[in-house]
Amino acid sequence: SQQGEEDPQALSIQEGENATMNCSYKTSINNLQWYRQNSGRGLVHLILIRSNEREKHSGRLRVTLDTSKKSSSLLITASRAADTASYFCATDGRGGSEKLVFGKGTKLTVNP
Amino acid sequence: EPEVTQTPSHQVTQMGQEVILRCVPISNHLYFYWYRQILGQKVEFLVSFYNNEISEKSEIFDDQFSVERPDGSNFTLKIRSTKLEDSAMYFCASTRDLRAMEETQYFGPGTRLLVL
Repeated sequence: SQQGEEDPQALSIQEGENATMNCSYKTSINNLQWYRQNSGRGLVHLILIRSNEREKHSGRLRVTLDTSKKSSSLLITASRAADTASYFCATDGRGGSEKLVFGKGTKLTVNP
Repeated sequence: EPEVTQTPSHQVTQMGQEVILRCVPISNHLYFYWYRQILGQKVEFLVSFYNNEISEKSEIFDDQFSVERPDGSNFTLKIRSTKLEDSAMYFCASTRDLRAMEETQYFGPGTRLLVL
């Protein structure tokens, strides 16, 4: 079965630094989505990257996808204290499966 | 910006009781989902719903669970006889149209269910 697994599990940086989080998965995908979750709150969609895309940007976010390595990375540039949250990747599946499979997430702490 | 809403935000119930969790998906979306997240664990898929029927469900979604779209706006998850291990955050999500490559799943804020 496919799984998104993020690393590192936890990341602590200073405000202004860049944060890079990685995600690996096991099977073919149609797309991969990144979400953010503040402690005990809902999931906020950040960005979707399709299997035929290699890189995508949205504001301070940059996502890459390497389907040959079955991995993706999320880069947050010029981090802010408000970026403190858990970040999850979620993969869908080929063959018509609609469900998303989430990883355990990376807990990012941005220190002011 | 349209968003998925869920009620209640918190629900406490006794083991064996029935609970109904409610969701209002984004109005022009066609696909609806329920996920759950046990404290400290991954978000897990429960069920997807399209065209007034279940399109996919996980092993977690056993006979104790059911979903319904009783009208044009609400999407509900019923747990018939709750167990302690049903305690979790339950998320509703919706997607505009998979066939039109609009696959982003938008999540609601969640309902935190505590079974005592």
